[in-house]
Amino acid sequence: DIQMTQSPSTLSASVGDRVTITCRASQSISSWLAWYQQKPGKAPKFLIYDASTLQSGVPSRFSGSGSGTEFTLTISSLQPDDFATYYCQQYKTYSRTFGQGTKVEIK
Amino acid sequence: EVQLVESGGGLVQPGGSLRLSCAASGFTFSSYSMSWVRQAPGKGLESVSYISYASSTIYYADSVKGRFTISRDNAKNSLYLQMTSLRVEDTAVYYCAGAFGNNPPDYWGQGTLVTVSS
Repeated sequence: DIQMTQSPSTLSASVGDRVTITCRASQSISSWLAWYQQKPGKAPKFLIYDASTLQSGVPSRFSGSGSGTEFTLTISSLQPDDFATYYCQQYKTYSRTFGQGTKVEIK
Repeated sequence: EVQLVESGGGLVQPGGSLRLSCAASGFTFSSYSMSWVRQAPGKGLESVSYISYASSTIYYADSVKGRFTISRDNAKNSLYLQMTSLRVEDTAVYYCAGAFGNNPPDYWGQGTLVTVSS
């Protein structure tokens, strides 16, 4: 199975900061990567697919990049609503594995 | 409005069984692949099982293989997860999620809590 590894596990930042989260795959997944945002007690919210395509309605401060085995999620200017946990997910294989998550907390 | 509504969760003893259901509305269920994703308390997301739109492809995580069975009824717009031989480590919120084609899931339910404890 493809393993997904995110870093860092926790990130402390302030409103207005530029934030970058990294996701690495144990083997090439081309661009078959998605990003989700999850807040406590809520279902995940779909943000980005195909590594860099924003889902409809997602603010443009979110962006994704990468291909192969290394990917990044960037929030250009962190807003109060963005404090949450972020997960990457590969969908090259049916295992649909997630990274372990990155919690973005208030500094 | 798209809705996925899970039901069937609850408290069960180790070794017991439960059947989760997910009722879909607001989209063409028969065209969507579906998944069950779980989240143990305080932990991350884990893909448990996947079923293609016509049930031709089914996948299980190693952690549940041989114990869980995924199925769907496109006529009833419903997804199911039959869980047997439940273990304490199966305790989690179980989400159903839908995806069009090979896309990642963009529709998610609100989750149903399964607690396995004696």
